[in-house]
Amino acid sequence: DGGITQSPKYLFRKEGQNVTLSCEQNLNHDAMYWYRQDPGQGLRLIYYSQIVNDFQKGDIAEGYSVSREKKESFPLTVTSAQKNPTAFYLCASSIGQPSNQPQHFGDGTRLSIL
Amino acid sequence: GNSVTQMEGPVTLSEEAFLTINCTYTATGYPSLFWYVQYPGEGLQLLLKATKADDKGSNKGFEATYRKETTSFHLEKGSVQVSDSAVYFCASDRGSTLGRLYFGRGTQLTVWP
Repeated sequence: DGGITQSPKYLFRKEGQNVTLSCEQNLNHDAMYWYRQDPGQGLRLIYYSQIVNDFQKGDIAEGYSVSREKKESFPLTVTSAQKNPTAFYLCASSIGQPSNQPQHFGDGTRLSIL
Repeated sequence: GNSVTQMEGPVTLSEEAFLTINCTYTATGYPSLFWYVQYPGEGLQLLLKATKADDKGSNKGFEATYRKETTSFHLEKGSVQVSDSAVYFCASDRGSTLGRLYFGRGTQLTVWP
């Protein structure tokens, strides 16, 4: 079955540590997205990529970094510069163009601070 | 500012009650509109969508009609079930061709037997 796989499901970060969240899709989608979800705030876009080797900042990119070396993969690194990283992180993908195509989501990674 | 404003929750209903969750949008041009549902501990799933004015999206008994004159896309269901308990998100692409979506803050629905 095609879909999006996020790992790990739960992740703990120590102070000053960088952590990387994995996102893999086998839907042959061009576009991929990372969102952060906090209670009562909905989803906020961190980064997105419309094609391999290209990505754009979303609304809350500070303290995060991404890469898009392969079509199937869009890992997110939460750096030590992100002072409040505790949240639920969701990865999504879509065909990309036309833009009215829906996004498909993974089951998320919950990140907590030790 | 937020492109999508949806009704704040939580919403609590008895089984078989009628559901409305309001959603309004702001956009230039002609956005596509979506409703997503999130069950506990999971990602979002597309519930329904509409891509032009007067379109009605429907799925699993849920419906929403794209109303350009009122810039609204309210979600409705005639008879809710306990299994409908989840968080519902309204989203818009703002008429952009960049492929990103703008989400409302979500509405928690709890249905009691």
